[in-house]
Amino acid sequence: QITLKESGPPLVKPTQTLTMTCAFSGFSLTPAGVAVAWIRQPPGKALEWLGTIYWDNDKNYSPSVKSRLTITKDPSNTQVRLTMTNLDPLDTATYFCAYATIHNSSSWYVHYWGQGSLVNVS
Amino acid sequence: QSVLTQPPSASGTPGQRVTISCSGSRSNIGGNTVTWYQQVPGTAPKLLIFNTHRRPSGVPDRFSGSKSGTSASLAISGLQSEDEGDYYCSAWDDSLNGPVFGGGTKLTVL
Repeated sequence: QITLKESGPPLVKPTQTLTMTCAFSGFSLTPAGVAVAWIRQPPGKALEWLGTIYWDNDKNYSPSVKSRLTITKDPSNTQVRLTMTNLDPLDTATYFCAYATIHNSSSWYVHYWGQGSLVNVS
Repeated sequence: QSVLTQPPSASGTPGQRVTISCSGSRSNIGGNTVTWYQQVPGTAPKLLIFNTHRRPSGVPDRFSGSKSGTSASLAISGLQSEDEGDYYCSAWDDSLNGPVFGGGTKLTVL
């Protein structure tokens, strides 16, 4: 059974740094094509991709947050961390981590999502 | 402003067939596969359709996906009350080098 769970502070002050952890089980971040993505959803709004870390430790980030975002994975390959600097009230959202796969650079999709963690920047 | 364009709302009565559209460009839908997610408010999205028209195990065959050029569609036949929720399309974007999402369509079963 694949599970992912986000953890982090529910409240962050503007200009501060957000650190969130995604603890996952039921899959390995080692095989080719496997990835963990961070996606957020402001209250009442649409999903927004933030960034992805891949099996080979490659990463890519959305241009909208690239200068502020870092995604890392721990050596045990059971946790992924999101660090976002200089937070703004517009960063208020539910943050999801997700198990995704990519094939031939044309097929990328999320198989499973974490339950999400609401972060309020105020 | 989302990269992929979806109608904000759709509705139908039980048993009807409903279609939700998703419009993009050559850099996303035009050259890559499309994914659809279903989200019940207050919960995480759930994978509904992947690789444009494939269903994960457990998703009823009432749900189907298709694509033509730079547009995609999700069709739901035999509409049921439990189909109410928000539906999002997504595709890899070659210019962004990442996935993009639609703005979501809120489906109401009347």
